[in-house]
Amino acid sequence: AQSVTQLGSHVSVSEGALVLLRCNYSSSVPPYLFWYVQYPNQGLQLLLKYTTGATLVKGINGFEAEFKKSETSFHLTKPSAHMSDAAEYFCAVTNFSGGYNKLIFGAGTRLAVHP
Amino acid sequence: SQTIHQWPATLVQPVGSPLSLECTVEGTSNPNLYWYRQAAGRGLQLLFYSVGIGQISSEVPQNLSASRPQDRQFILSSKKLLLSDSGFYLCAWAPLGSGSTDTQYFGPGTRLTVL
Repeated sequence: AQSVTQLGSHVSVSEGALVLLRCNYSSSVPPYLFWYVQYPNQGLQLLLKYTTGATLVKGINGFEAEFKKSETSFHLTKPSAHMSDAAEYFCAVTNFSGGYNKLIFGAGTRLAVHP
Repeated sequence: SQTIHQWPATLVQPVGSPLSLECTVEGTSNPNLYWYRQAAGRGLQLLFYSVGIGQISSEVPQNLSASRPQDRQFILSSKKLLLSDSGFYLCAWAPLGSGSTDTQYFGPGTRLTVL
């Protein structure tokens, strides 16, 4: 069965610093991986996704993630944090079984950005 | 373009009262529909999914039920709320016949507090 582990429930960075949010997955089949962002009291918005092909995936708002099969990881990065990046970030893997597409989410990482 | 609505945005209900949360999707036909719950400090848990009118699958046993009376309407209900039903409820849709790579699109959510 697929699962997702996000290391660090809270991450704090300075404005302009590198953002690194960690995600490791477990999957018995080639995984399809997603990062979503949730701003306070809002729904989830897709940042980026990996399906096949290039392992470095670029998303919205300057974020990118690299799929590393050998490390079973899909870490999210951004070179320079902005105050508006403060939000909760969820990594997810697809579980496609019985004809249905289900997302298995990690517990989330709350990113704080301070001046 | 497609949009997804959830109603109400916030709700405070006493223990033992009934519940009805509504989700509607516009701009698409025959979507897959999902209900998730996000408890405080936790990730998202899939509650129900539906691939068509009247077709509901439950992921976990609980005090809740779901119905899909129309193609683009998904309702989450309870006859008697428990304190543990408090949380942030998110509805999501995905294109018909979604495979593993298809994105799920989330609504703005309903914040439910049971007192």
